[in-house]
Amino acid sequence: GEDVEQSLFLSVREGDSSVINCTYTDSSSTYLYWYKQEPGAGLQLLTYIFSNMDMKQDQRLTVLLNKKDKHLSLRIADTQTGDSAIYFCAESIGSGGSNYKLTFGKGTLLTVNP
Amino acid sequence: SAVISQKPSRDICQRGTSLTIQCQVDSQVTMMFWYRQQPGQSLTLIATANQGSEATYESGFVIDKFPISRPNLTFSTLTVSNMSPEDSSIYLCSVSNPRQADEQYFGPGTRLTVT
Repeated sequence: GEDVEQSLFLSVREGDSSVINCTYTDSSSTYLYWYKQEPGAGLQLLTYIFSNMDMKQDQRLTVLLNKKDKHLSLRIADTQTGDSAIYFCAESIGSGGSNYKLTFGKGTLLTVNP
Repeated sequence: SAVISQKPSRDICQRGTSLTIQCQVDSQVTMMFWYRQQPGQSLTLIATANQGSEATYESGFVIDKFPISRPNLTFSTLTVSNMSPEDSSIYLCSVSNPRQADEQYFGPGTRLTVT
């Protein structure tokens, strides 16, 4: 079955690194995604990783994937107050034109304190 | 990335009425998706809308309650019919990037409150 889990809250100080964790249950996941949702806004695609990769870095963002443990993490370096938002982990399953259905976690509320 | 707009951005509706939400994309896309985000909850896929065919609904969602139109490759509508307070949610349209199908983008959402 499909199930994506995240911790609900994370609080960090400005300038520190944030690490948001996610676990999933379906070993046939194709892609894993991180989305950011600011208050009153839609979802912004931050980054995603193909399931045969174990790391992806994009500026301040580092995604680590441990496929054996079905564990995904998002590290935000030098966290800023503008990073305060809800971060959703999501997985897609399938290939080609069928890997469209995203299953989301409940989201992690990141609070960055000055 | 694809630029997606939705109308209306928010609405307050009375129970028993229906609301049609529009989704417009700035490029032609094959697949469009409708999600629901209930208050404080995650996103749940309602249905997938492909141009030229009937929408495919996920378990728990039916066409009579959530009819969908997909008249062309840049536009879709979702209607929430015979609304009840339990339908109060954010409804989001999503598309796959036509040049990079792994990337899925979301519209700003329509915040619906049913009284």
